[in-house]
Amino acid sequence: AQSVTQLDSHVSVSEGTPVLLRCNYSSSYSPSLFWYVQHPNKGLQLLLKYTSAATLVKGINGFEAEFKKSETSFHLTKPSAHMSDAAEYFCVVSGNTGTASKLTFGTGTRLQVTL
Amino acid sequence: NAGVTQTPKFQVLKTGQSMTLQCAQDMNHEYMSWYRQDPGMGLRLIHYSVGAGITDQGEVPNGYNVSRSTTEDFPLRLLSAAPSQTSVYFCASSPQGGTQYFGPGTRLTVL
Repeated sequence: AQSVTQLDSHVSVSEGTPVLLRCNYSSSYSPSLFWYVQHPNKGLQLLLKYTSAATLVKGINGFEAEFKKSETSFHLTKPSAHMSDAAEYFCVVSGNTGTASKLTFGTGTRLQVTL
Repeated sequence: NAGVTQTPKFQVLKTGQSMTLQCAQDMNHEYMSWYRQDPGMGLRLIHYSVGAGITDQGEVPNGYNVSRSTTEDFPLRLLSAAPSQTSVYFCASSPQGGTQYFGPGTRLTVL
């Protein structure tokens, strides 16, 4: 079984300040972990993914995430927020069932960026 | 490359009506899946397929049917729509074990 917990449903930051979106996971095997972003009334876009290579993963638009097995965490960070970062962010864990990859989504964190 | 396409973008149904949400991909991906997105609940897996002719249930399959007669297409059927099926539906595809790519979504309202 696998699960994901996003610790904050809503995060508000000022433009130019750091972003931290927190995610804890549970998995009975070595997981693949993802962050997806969804802008209002849009589909989902992959930000970054971890698949058991380097523990610090760099993604698009300046985002990165660090896989910490001891803490079962995969927090998303960005040094300086931009207004265009305002969106909903989903932490996702992938579980392999035979040849299938089933995604389990967190409930999402809405990022608000203010001037 | 169109990626993953979904039709229609918007649909309004009355309770008891049936309809099919279409999903197609042109990337020759083996794996396809359907999710629904409801406020505060993230995305939940409805059905998935690991290849043509093979489908299986996800977390919330009740009220939905799927089939996979070709690699490209994976339609989702609502046999008798209920207000509880009001949601945004996303289709996704991926190569075996690879990253999933999502379609733009279908916003369904059941009155």
